[in-house]
Amino acid sequence: EVQLVESGGGLVQPGGCLRLSCAASGFTVSNNYMSWVRQAPGKGLEWVSVIYSDGSTYYADSVKGRFTISRDNSRNTLFLQMNSLIVEDTAVYYCARDGSKSGFNWFDPWGQGTQVTVSS
Amino acid sequence: DIVMTQSPDSLAVSLGERATINCKSSQSVLYRSNNKNYLAWYQQKPGQPPKLLIYWASTRESGVPERFSGSGSGTDFTLTISSLQAEDVAVYYCQQYYSNPPWAFGQGTKVEVK
Repeated sequence: EVQLVESGGGLVQPGGCLRLSCAASGFTVSNNYMSWVRQAPGKGLEWVSVIYSDGSTYYADSVKGRFTISRDNSRNTLFLQMNSLIVEDTAVYYCARDGSKSGFNWFDPWGQGTQVTVSS
Repeated sequence: DIVMTQSPDSLAVSLGERATINCKSSQSVLYRSNNKNYLAWYQQKPGQPPKLLIYWASTRESGVPERFSGSGSGTDFTLTISSLQAEDVAVYYCQQYYSNPPWAFGQGTKVEVK
């Protein structure tokens, strides 16, 4: 069964950092395009970052220079290192796979999400 | 960057009636070389992650009920629920995957039972 399980969220002060993890099962992370998508409280979906199978990475302007996406092939796990956090980063963070499995980048499946709260 | 705009923001439909959600992109998401529209639809119920319903604007994901259908081309798209069921109460999002990142979602449309 294809599954994604996020972890690592929590409460952090502004300026702090967190590292989110997304453990995959049923497929190989390194062979797929993998994204992070977030959802602020009561708001819509915002794409955050992607890592391609060739290792290329892209970021939303809102997180560029502060967030870093990576993966550990041996652990079949995706990561999101979040530095210099601001209140506006408060959201549920989902990891998701490219549903086409061939680079067309609709998202399927999604993990259950992990809550990140940035507050003093 | 491509901007996606949905309408309405919310709608209330009687059970068994049709629900129609619109999605407009700021530029065409039709790729001429393969004649495909790079547009997906998702359903999100409270406390759950989004669920893929439709991709290529009109291709239903496996297991999605036939009452869900997608249509449109270029910049204007529609998600139709032909006969609303109680379990269809949710927020629905469109998403373009035409461009290089960033990939944009619409702001969402909340569907409720009248």
